[in-house]
Amino acid sequence: GQQLNQSPQSMFIQEGEDVSMNCTSSSIFNTWLWYKQEPGEGPVLLIALYKAGELTSNGRLTAQFGITRKDSFLNISASIPSDVGIYFCAGRYNYGQNFVFGPGTRLSVLP
Amino acid sequence: NAGVMQNPRHLVRRRGQEARLRCSPMKGHSHVYWYRQLPEEGLKFMVYLQKENIIDESGMPKERFSAEFPKEGPSILRIQQVVRGDSAAYFCASSPPSGTGLDTQYFGPGTRLTVL
Repeated sequence: GQQLNQSPQSMFIQEGEDVSMNCTSSSIFNTWLWYKQEPGEGPVLLIALYKAGELTSNGRLTAQFGITRKDSFLNISASIPSDVGIYFCAGRYNYGQNFVFGPGTRLSVLP
Repeated sequence: NAGVMQNPRHLVRRRGQEARLRCSPMKGHSHVYWYRQLPEEGLKFMVYLQKENIIDESGMPKERFSAEFPKEGPSILRIQQVVRGDSAAYFCASSPPSGTGLDTQYFGPGTRLTVL
């Protein structure tokens, strides 16, 4: 089935640095979702996007719905140790379809 | 407002037994999704259901696996005659019906199935 591409696959950054990751699709979506998953837990919804070009923030996190509707971006500013986890993007065209997920970006923050 | 609930959180079965995983969606949500996740891997879609109806089961293995979401009660993912390869974390997610709000999806804490 269809899957999204996420990059980078993993990243190691120093505490305090900013982080950027992105997600691309071969088809257009009307909804983009970003999740964070920590070990042993379920994914937690961070940000939801619904309009091309939309920019939405949640604390130090900012996500954008790409204008082509085939991509989305997540930025984390001034990273801290608790940002460690796997970040998943997901999207879908409408309610009649299931959500498609990316393989995740694994983030490690070095003190 | 309680989130998505899954039970049990951990389930141990011997090969050949049946596993039943339960999921109660968020209040007001009528759509349920099941995903499977192996250690160090992403989420693999299994099935998408609304009450009394399967919308998409393209990710579900053809044999031994079944899912339902009855009019009353939780959604059930049933795995018959489990094998060691079924060991994984199984996550349920729910979303509201169309036309009632913004499209979104919330996950439960998962059920970790171990097959001995």
